[in-house]
Amino acid sequence: DQQVKQNSPSLSVQEGRISILNCDYTNSMFDYFLWYKKYPAEGPTFLISISSIKDKNEDGRFTVFLNKSAKHLSLHIVPSQPGDSAVYFCAASASNTGFQKLVFGTGTRLLVSP
Amino acid sequence: ETGVTQTPRHLVMGMTNKKSLKCEQHLGHNAMYWYKQSAKKPLELMFVYSLEERVENNSVPSRFSPECPNSSHLFLHLHTLQPEDSALYLCASSQEVAIAPDTQYFGPGTRLTVL
Repeated sequence: DQQVKQNSPSLSVQEGRISILNCDYTNSMFDYFLWYKKYPAEGPTFLISISSIKDKNEDGRFTVFLNKSAKHLSLHIVPSQPGDSAVYFCAASASNTGFQKLVFGTGTRLLVSP
Repeated sequence: ETGVTQTPRHLVMGMTNKKSLKCEQHLGHNAMYWYKQSAKKPLELMFVYSLEERVENNSVPSRFSPECPNSSHLFLHLHTLQPEDSALYLCASSQEVAIAPDTQYFGPGTRLTVL
């Protein structure tokens, strides 16, 4: 059973517009959430994270929103740039596991066209 | 970013071969991880090491054997693999295993093909 779901395998956006990537989770014990970006032939690169005590975290063009009641988080990229084209993974962990066991979604491929 | 390096980047091996994957982190972290990414599947955690001690073995077959000689190096020894073991194997490190939250940083991965 997949505990972290990214239901959109792909997303296409025009340069300058907003990209919104979504992620849903089922485990209510998750309390830390991360977004990673992955280019072909490279490992995932940490992008931004959010703790369950917050509902928003912003870093430059990237903002992550967390809705705990809906068990949903989203990553907003504004404005989108062609260099943002990559696969984006959502991940979650629960602090009660005793160690950082990250559970990943299957990823969303973002394509930003000029 | 060269904080976590992995060698080789690509590996093709037969089912009777023995090979090893190597990971090195230059971030001063105490925890290291092996993940497997198969096509169209999420990353799956395989092993977790904290200060060279194995913390987690996530029901991984014994044909995968990890080794962590020190907190900067992690190996994955492979023997008698199956074609379904073909995947991208990713190494990651983080500051501490037991302190949450803690961000994991990934290497570029080894693309393994088992013939």
